[in-house]
Amino acid sequence: DVKVTQSSRYLVKRTGEKVFLECVQDMDHENMFWYRQDPGLGLRLIYFSYDVKMKEKGDIPEGYSVSREKKERFSLILESASTNQTSMYLCASSLGHISGANVLTFGAGSRLTVL
Amino acid sequence: GQNIDQPTEMTATEGAIVQINCTYQTSGFNGLFWYQQHAGEAPTFLSYNVLDGLEEKGRFSSFLSRSKGYSYLLLKELQMKDSASYLCAVRDRDYKLSFGAGTTVTVRA
Repeated sequence: DVKVTQSSRYLVKRTGEKVFLECVQDMDHENMFWYRQDPGLGLRLIYFSYDVKMKEKGDIPEGYSVSREKKERFSLILESASTNQTSMYLCASSLGHISGANVLTFGAGSRLTVL
Repeated sequence: GQNIDQPTEMTATEGAIVQINCTYQTSGFNGLFWYQQHAGEAPTFLSYNVLDGLEEKGRFSSFLSRSKGYSYLLLKELQMKDSASYLCAVRDRDYKLSFGAGTTVTVRA
């Protein structure tokens, strides 16, 4: 069964801490995405990557950065966590060609609480 | 940018039909997706529409009208396991996918 695995299901961090959220996919997908999901706001795109060492800003990149050193791994970094970054973070991946029915496969999510 | 609207909540009885509407405004259009998300779980793909008309897949159907910026997801013969959040997502001319806030469907016995 193909998978997108997020390393941490629940995290609690303090304001100002550096936070790493790791995501690994075993489907040899080119495209990887980071979303955050908040009640009433739905999923909002933070960053995405269409290839190794490549990254593009999504709709809400402020306060975040990403790293894609290997095809299967896409990391989301909060340089200095703030309380408004308390959220559910979802990683997703998809096949290389971005047109057509290019379906996203999501990880189970990482619920981050910043105190 | 994109503006995607869908109702917040819907309730229906087991065995009934429910229609979830989605309206959107987008800078270019390259497809509309529906995902299902059970509480505490990851979203999973349900359907994809890029041309006008109805796409049927078992108990679920999805309709698209590009000229109206409108789609609906039709769930027939509702089962308790269909209680979930249903997410409408639109892909724009830059192939970026944006999601609506989701519609929580509650199926009652």
